[in-house]
Amino acid sequence: DSGVTQTPKHLITATGQRVTLRCSPRSGDLSVYWYQQSLDQGLQFLIQYYNGEERAKGNILERFSAQQFPDLHSELNLSSLELGDSALYFCASSEDVNQPQHFGDGTRLSIL
Amino acid sequence: GEDVEQSLFLSVREGDSSVINCTYTDSSSTYLYWYKQEPGAGLQLLTYIFSNMDMKQDQRLTVLLNKKDKHLSLRIADTQTGDSAIYFCAESIENNNDMRFGAGTRLTVKP
Repeated sequence: DSGVTQTPKHLITATGQRVTLRCSPRSGDLSVYWYQQSLDQGLQFLIQYYNGEERAKGNILERFSAQQFPDLHSELNLSSLELGDSALYFCASSEDVNQPQHFGDGTRLSIL
Repeated sequence: GEDVEQSLFLSVREGDSSVINCTYTDSSSTYLYWYKQEPGAGLQLLTYIFSNMDMKQDQRLTVLLNKKDKHLSLRIADTQTGDSAIYFCAESIENNNDMRFGAGTRLTVKP
């Protein structure tokens, strides 16, 4: 158990909808990262937050947004969903930036 | 192309050693990591090595780093069927906030 908790484990929705994925980092970790894992693109870094502030952006679409709350949990919001958004979404956390990241078990998003 | 490259497949027999290789391109990498992903699960941090080290051993796992060639390897001694998984190599770079992953090597262990 990595100590990183993601909910829900599975999500099935339709095109055009909006979903929110939630992540609770390991106790004491200030930095949260979001990744997308799909069969054709591999593991793609989306965005990073550190102590409530956005720190780095990767290949995140404009339809996607995230935030980190004062209690350090984070949410990833995906809107106007398309079939190609079907993937595993992972959250990871680390004590500080540039420290080993610990991953949650992911949320599997299926768009029908 | 990928900044971090790995071969996609490796098959070994139970009890043999497995060696998974990785090359990276950024000489300013600070940490290099190995993660394991079992089916339906997240990425589990197996081990990592700081860029000023050549070798790190942790029970059955040995990590070798050749900084000159930008080559990282993970050796699993006495490979077991439970080691069957996808192994990801990753690098992080000082003053950069993301981690770059390879495409993963699928290790299959045959009894």
